[in-house]
Amino acid sequence: AQSVAQPEDQVNVAEGNPLTVKCTYSVSGNPYLFWYVQYPNRGLQFLLKYITGDNLVKGSYGFEAEFNKSQTSFHLKKPSALVSDSALYFCAVRDRDNFNKFYFGSGTKLNVKP
Amino acid sequence: DVKVTQSSRYLVKRTGEKVFLECVQDMDHENMFWYRQDPGLGLRLIYFSYDVKMKEKGDIPEGYSVSREKKERFSLILESASTNQTSMYLCASTPQTGGPYEQYFGPGTRLTVT
Repeated sequence: AQSVAQPEDQVNVAEGNPLTVKCTYSVSGNPYLFWYVQYPNRGLQFLLKYITGDNLVKGSYGFEAEFNKSQTSFHLKKPSALVSDSALYFCAVRDRDNFNKFYFGSGTKLNVKP
Repeated sequence: DVKVTQSSRYLVKRTGEKVFLECVQDMDHENMFWYRQDPGLGLRLIYFSYDVKMKEKGDIPEGYSVSREKKERFSLILESASTNQTSMYLCASTPQTGGPYEQYFGPGTRLTVT
């Protein structure tokens, strides 16, 4: 079965420290990979995506993500966390063959403490 | 910028009522989606539509129906609301079928059924 896993319900990090939010997937073929952020009582906002090519993808607000094909992972990273980065983060995968299928992880709550 | 709007941010309905949730996008997108979001479960697809009057069931269509009479508008209908349909409902759209397009989300409707 196709699935996306975010193994951590919550990640805590101090402001100024690097952060990583993990995502692994089990989707056939070479899917498109996405990260979204959700602030309280809001919809999801697109951060970045991987299509092909360079394994390190840069996105909005200083976020980047590293694609690892052999580990089927797409971890979200930021070199220096801000308190304003505190939010809920979702990893999503779009099946290239069944293109209207998006698979979402369960979300990871990022807490950045001053 | 693409804008996806939802008719209500918060809604309180009684058990057994028929409920309409409206979603409008302003960028001529072909595909539209309805999800529900529950803590720890991520986003679950209820229905999607790839064209006017066309729809396909998602993962959890029971108790819901949809309508797409115009390209820009996608409505979710709860035929007889029940308490287990209390949730956050998110509408999304993408430009066209296929391709590495991210989804654009509306702000969400938090529905409470009492």
